[in-house]
Amino acid sequence: DTEVTQTPKHLVMGMTNKKSLKCEQHMGHRAMYWYKQKAKKPPELMFVYSYEKLSINESVPSRFSPECPNSSLLNLHLHALQPEDSALYLCASRPTGILTDTQYFGPGTRLTVL
Amino acid sequence: GENVEQHPSTLSVQEGDSAVIKCTYSDSASNYFPWYKQELGKGPQLIIDIRSNVGEKKDQRIAVTLNKTAKHFSLHITETQPEDSAVYFCAATGANSKLTFGKGITLSVRP
Repeated sequence: DTEVTQTPKHLVMGMTNKKSLKCEQHMGHRAMYWYKQKAKKPPELMFVYSYEKLSINESVPSRFSPECPNSSLLNLHLHALQPEDSALYLCASRPTGILTDTQYFGPGTRLTVL
Repeated sequence: GENVEQHPSTLSVQEGDSAVIKCTYSDSASNYFPWYKQELGKGPQLIIDIRSNVGEKKDQRIAVTLNKTAKHFSLHITETQPEDSAVYFCAATGANSKLTFGKGITLSVRP
């Protein structure tokens, strides 16, 4: 089973709202990722968690706040977003260890900021 | 850092024909090269990958070749079908397991 699940599938929010995206995997992967993908573009890395600790923040604005409460769950908290933040937000996970570079992506959350 | 180039941006083939998508990378330290297929409204799905100690890998109608000297790798799809129509991303990974994607190519298979 190589499934990464994401909820919600779609989200519409105003610029003053606070919302959260959720990502879950039960493959025992200890590396988890958030990506942002605009239309007709490749995914752009936002954050990397390794063993539940933030290891990479690709200079993402503070209105995006990641959280990794346990080894199976990854959240992305959203606050005071801008319309240009509208995109597909993808979660991915990767096993850790030797020869374990494969990242498995979830279906994404389509976010629209009004 | 790594730079992955993917050309062209679109490719149209007749059903049953073969499709070849090529990518180049810049960092000779990159050692893992996955290919992802992304259908409309879905997340990227890994379809095949190759490591730097292997020159070719095949899985049914899909194959990937790697030329480390020239720093390029290619995806080959034989006997294309309409359901192969999607966006395909190549990527390269170095020592930090960070994926660098190409810009993607939209493959259209004409029935």
